[in-house]
This record gives sequence, C-alpha cells and structure tokens, in this order.
Amino acid sequence: GQQLNQSPQSMFIQEGEDVSMNCTSSSIFNTWLWYKQDPGEGPVLLIALYKAGELTSNGRLTAQFGITRKDSFLNISASIPSDVGIYFCAGQLSSGTYKYIFGTGTRLKVLA
Amino acid sequence: DAGITQSPRHKVTETGTPVTLRCHQTENHRYMYWYRQDPGHGLRLIHYSYGVKDTDKGEVSDGYSVSRSKTEDFLLTLESATSSQTSVYFCAISEFPGTDDRTEAFFGQGTRLTVV
Repeated sequence: GQQLNQSPQSMFIQEGEDVSMNCTSSSIFNTWLWYKQDPGEGPVLLIALYKAGELTSNGRLTAQFGITRKDSFLNISASIPSDVGIYFCAGQLSSGTYKYIFGTGTRLKVLA
Repeated sequence: DAGITQSPRHKVTETGTPVTLRCHQTENHRYMYWYRQDPGHGLRLIHYSYGVKDTDKGEVSDGYSVSRSKTEDFLLTLESATSSQTSVYFCAISEFPGTDDRTEAFFGQGTRLTVV
C-alpha cells in the first residue's frame, strides 16, 4: 500500500534542542498535515499546509510544504518534555478522493 | 476537540467471531475514515465514506466491511476476527472543502481490539 517515508523513525534529544523531521513521497500531494499522538490517544492536528512552498508556524512548531509537493518538513524549536510523543505526517492526494496517506511516524523522546 | 466518539474503547474477542466498531460524529462532516494503527506501520486506511451509503476501500480492506446509513455514524465490521486484526482502530472525519479546497482530518480516541 501507499505510505509516506518519514524520518527519522525515532530520536532522543536534550531539552532545549531543536528537532527536525521530514516526509517524502513519490506522489504529489494537495495538502500536508502534521499530527502529534500521545500514548493512548488519537492523533491531534498540529499544522495544515495547502500550497507548495508554504511555511506555517504554530507556537514553537514550524512546517513547510515542499516546492515539489512531494515532501514536507516539521521543525520544533527549543524542545520541552511535553513534546514527547509520536509525530505523523499525512498527505492528501491530488486526485480529489480526499483520502489521507500517513507516514510511519517519528517517535520523539526528550531528555530533561 | 472534534465531536467524534468511538465505541467500544476496548474489546477482547475470540477468533472467528464478528465484531462491529462504531464511530459517531456530531460535526456533520461528509467524509469518515477507518484506520488501523500497528507498530512500524503508522496509520493505514481500511475503508472510507464520502457520503451516506457511499463507501470505498482503502489499502488494507480485506476482512473488513463498513456501513454508513446516517451522516453521523460509520460502522466497521470484522466479519470473522483473526489474530492479525488485533490493533488499535481510529476513526477520522473531514469536511467537504470549500472553494479554497482546504480541509483537515480529525481523529477519535481509538478502539483497542484484541483477538484471542
């Protein structure tokens, strides 16, 4: 099945450090979404991107829609312990079917 | 939080039995989705619905069926549960986009299903 390549799979960082993760695909996407999932919970939407090249921030989070429309990036600045969780990217295909394809997730652990 | 309720939240069932999971929304959104989440696989689409009685298969639809008789309810049925269907199941909803073609998906809390 179609899935997005998300990297890294996991990362351990020190509190205060910046974090970067990305998603790539061979397909062109109309929309990129970034989610965070805490243990035992459903994914929660962090940022939505709709145009190639778009750069959007939500507090300490910044995400970008790649120019080629085949990739997206999420940065977290000055990480804090509550940033711990799994981050997922999701792409909506341009076919108009309104299906969302998800990456395999980046598990983030923050060391105090 | 989007008004999405999944039931049950936890279920243990025996191999070979049918199981139905329910997703109920209060947002009147047109699109509804069922995903399963397994370690190393992220979220994989099982089935989705683009309107009442309108459904289509996702990438991992074998062994699953769905029904949507009302806008607010989307049911996922495991016809004969197998151990490989042990997973966490998430329902999601999204609205039909306006002229700006912008829409997002919102998730329920999940149902943890164990097939023994």
